[in-house]
Amino acid sequence: EDQVTQSPEALRLQEGESSSLNCSYTVSGLRGLFWYRQDPGKGPEFLFTLYSAGEEKEKERLKATLTKKESFLHITAPKPEDSATYLCAVLNHYGQNFVFGPGTRLSVLP
Amino acid sequence: DAGITQSPRHKVTETGTPVTLRCHQTENHRYMYWYRQDPGHGLRLIHYSYGVKDTDKGEVSDGYSVSRSKTEDFLLTLESATSSQTSVYFCAISDLLAGNNTGELFFGEGSRLTVL
Repeated sequence: EDQVTQSPEALRLQEGESSSLNCSYTVSGLRGLFWYRQDPGKGPEFLFTLYSAGEEKEKERLKATLTKKESFLHITAPKPEDSATYLCAVLNHYGQNFVFGPGTRLSVLP
Repeated sequence: DAGITQSPRHKVTETGTPVTLRCHQTENHRYMYWYRQDPGHGLRLIHYSYGVKDTDKGEVSDGYSVSRSKTEDFLLTLESATSSQTSVYFCAISDLLAGNNTGELFFGEGSRLTVL
């Protein structure tokens, strides 16, 4: 059974204080690992797809990396507008279902 | 933004009443999904569809049924709502294809359901 865990559950940062969020996964043949951002009262918004170990993707202050067992979402010099819940999900080669982790709730204080 | 509309956005109902949530897409994506999101559980798959009249169960399908009579519409029905079905429901779409292609999910804005 595919599983995804995320840590920490919640993270508070000062503006400009860089950090990383972790997504650990077990999957029977990774087809893709996905990162989403979710603002309160909104649906998740797609950020990145990673396909294989060693791959990296960047978007503004965010960089996602992937190993065979985990993915990191690095946030460089965050701003208050980066405050949101960040979700990780995996898709395996055999299924059509995306399995989500519980998310990390990020707060960036000015 | 992906063209996904959920209705209603908010609903309060009583235990034992039927409820139908609607998801409408304008992207012509093959796959459509219904998730529920609850504190401490994250997003959990209820049902999904991989084509017109083709649906399958997710991990929390008990008490829910779905129908897809047109590519653009995916309905989620609670035949007899219970308080445990109070949740936020998200519809998502994907152009996930067979083989090596992946298609990220695009989500609607959610439907908040309260069952009293």
